Amino acid sequence: AQSVTQLGSHVSVSEGALVLLRCNYSSSVPPYLFWYVQYPNQGLQLLLKYTSAATLVKGINGFEAEFKKSETSFHLTKPSAHMSDAAEYFCAVSRLGSNYKLTFGKGTLLTVNP
Amino acid sequence: NAGVTQTPKFRVLKTGQSMTLLCAQDMNHEYMYWYRQDPGMGLRLIHYSVGEGTTAKGEVPDGYNVSRLKKQNFLLGLESAAPSQTSVYFCASSDPSGGYEQYFGPGTRLTVT
Repeated sequence: AQSVTQLGSHVSVSEGALVLLRCNYSSSVPPYLFWYVQYPNQGLQLLLKYTSAATLVKGINGFEAEFKKSETSFHLTKPSAHMSDAAEYFCAVSRLGSNYKLTFGKGTLLTVNP
Repeated sequence: NAGVTQTPKFRVLKTGQSMTLLCAQDMNHEYMYWYRQDPGMGLRLIHYSVGEGTTAKGEVPDGYNVSRLKKQNFLLGLESAAPSQTSVYFCASSDPSGGYEQYFGPGTRLTVT
């Protein structure tokens, strides 16, 4: 079984501030981990993914995430928030042999204040 | 290359009515998925398919049926709609020989009154 916990359903930052969105996972086997972003009234877009290569993963729009096995975490960061980063962010986990099914966290809504 | 498309974008049903949501992908992906998204719940898997002619249950399959008669299409049916099925429905596809990620459609917003 696998599960994802996203700490904080709503995160608010100022423009230019660090963005940190937290994700912890539970998986009985080595996981594949993903961050997706959803802008209002749109589908989900892949930000970045970890599939057992480098533990520090860089994605689109300046986001990155680090896989920490000892902490079972995959937190998403961006050094400087832009107004355009305001969206909902979902962490998801999959694993080999699961038919690539994704288990999603409940999401974190990011607000960026001017 | 349109990616994953969904039809319709919006629909309002009365309790007990039936409807079919269509998902189409032009990426020649083997795997396809249907999710529902509800506030504060994230996305939950309804049904999925690992190839033409195959379907399997996900986390929340009750009240839904699916069919994958053609590789590029994945249909989600509601035989007798209930207010609890008011949700936003997303289709996704993936390629087992690719990078494990799923590609999502724009969604269908369904309201059952």
